[in-house]
Amino acid sequence: SQQGEEDPQALSIQEGENATMNCSYKTSINNLQWYRQNSGRGLVHLILIRSNEREKHSGRLRVTLDTSKKSSSLLITASRAADTASYFCATERRQGAQKLVFGQGTRLTINP
Amino acid sequence: NAGVTQTPKFRVLKTGQSMTLLCAQDMNHEYMYWYRQDPGMGLRLIHYSVGEGTTAKGEVPDGYNVSRLKKQNFLLGLESAAPSQTSVYFCASSYPFRDRVTYEQYFGPGTRLTVT
Repeated sequence: SQQGEEDPQALSIQEGENATMNCSYKTSINNLQWYRQNSGRGLVHLILIRSNEREKHSGRLRVTLDTSKKSSSLLITASRAADTASYFCATERRQGAQKLVFGQGTRLTINP
Repeated sequence: NAGVTQTPKFRVLKTGQSMTLLCAQDMNHEYMYWYRQDPGMGLRLIHYSVGEGTTAKGEVPDGYNVSRLKKQNFLLGLESAAPSQTSVYFCASSYPFRDRVTYEQYFGPGTRLTVT
């Protein structure tokens, strides 16, 4: 079963704009991660946020986590054409579970 | 380092045929995983391994078997392929962070399998 549900399923913006993607999940988690997948390629880890953290930054990425609402958001600032990809959230449900449950992804298109 | 590699990249099977997908990692990772990705479904975990000689079932294990005889290799077998197993298969590996409770996964490039 899918733990995370991303919203929107697809997003198209102009280069230079900010892109925001949301992820909701159903059960309590130990941590939440975001991955990027370029077309025809494997997933690449972007950022991890623990359940006791509320916000994290990495370069142009900003991730927030609201455990009371069971939701997370990924913000990409100053988008570039190279950011065109699918973005997935993944949750580890409990400490030491050693496995992730992925959402269905958001397809992001950056128009030049 | 090659990271995570998968063999083959593409394969077409007929219903009832068998095959083995090979995943290899050169990062000395403890954990390895097999996923399948179908359109609009995200990734679903088939089987995983937390160490050499150990395997465990994931979310969708039926119709698949796995083996982890060596730490660096994780094999996924389809004994009797069915059209429902047409998918893109990804292997991943990971290791625990220093706190040993969090980790990230490293993915291979995928194997595109079509069963006719």
